[in-house]
Amino acid sequence: GIQVEQSPPDLILQEGANSTLRCNFSDSVNNLQWFHQNPWGQLINLFYIPSGTKQNGRLSATTVATERYSLLYISSSQTTDSGVYFCAVFTGGGNKLTFGTGTQLKVEL
Amino acid sequence: SAVISQKPSRDICQRGTSLTIQCQVDSQVTMMFWYRQQPGQSLTLIATANQGSEATYESGFVIDKFPISRPNLTFSTLTVSNMSPEDSSIYLCSVEIGWNTEAFFGQGTRLTVV
Repeated sequence: GIQVEQSPPDLILQEGANSTLRCNFSDSVNNLQWFHQNPWGQLINLFYIPSGTKQNGRLSATTVATERYSLLYISSSQTTDSGVYFCAVFTGGGNKLTFGTGTQLKVEL
Repeated sequence: SAVISQKPSRDICQRGTSLTIQCQVDSQVTMMFWYRQQPGQSLTLIATANQGSEATYESGFVIDKFPISRPNLTFSTLTVSNMSPEDSSIYLCSVEIGWNTEAFFGQGTRLTVV
């Protein structure tokens, strides 16, 4: 099956810093989503982005499907950005999501 | 989008017992899914809940351990049967309104088996 790798696995930032999270996938995908999992375990939808670039406030995402990667940019990080960030891909075999390995982010004061 | 209510939000259960998790959506949806997230791990799909027919299970998951019901287009349940400490995980339901559209998740059920 498809492999979805995220980097870095862990990241510690000072408040106000910027960061880039990467998601690489091993095969063609129909679609891609980015999620933020808060400390209580809830998954928050960030972006639904099969290709191109989208922005939402301090966050933006870019997917280059032909090169099989996606990037999530966090600018001016805040402590509330802490948590785990997952990318997940839809594959051609169905409407099921395959999740990446995750990036654990901690933003410190 | 879709508003998903998942119950219970957390539970502590004795080994050997069963727990049923409910997932209610505020609108009719085509696709409903159940995922498991073991401690410190990513999410893994357990099964697709099909309306009017048996669920479709992923490799490594079986109906006897994780029976699923989907009586209509807005509701599904997942039962974790004969639990052991290895079943301690977050269980999440997910919905998609149409084919190849954005997925939305319930708030999850944090299960601890003692």
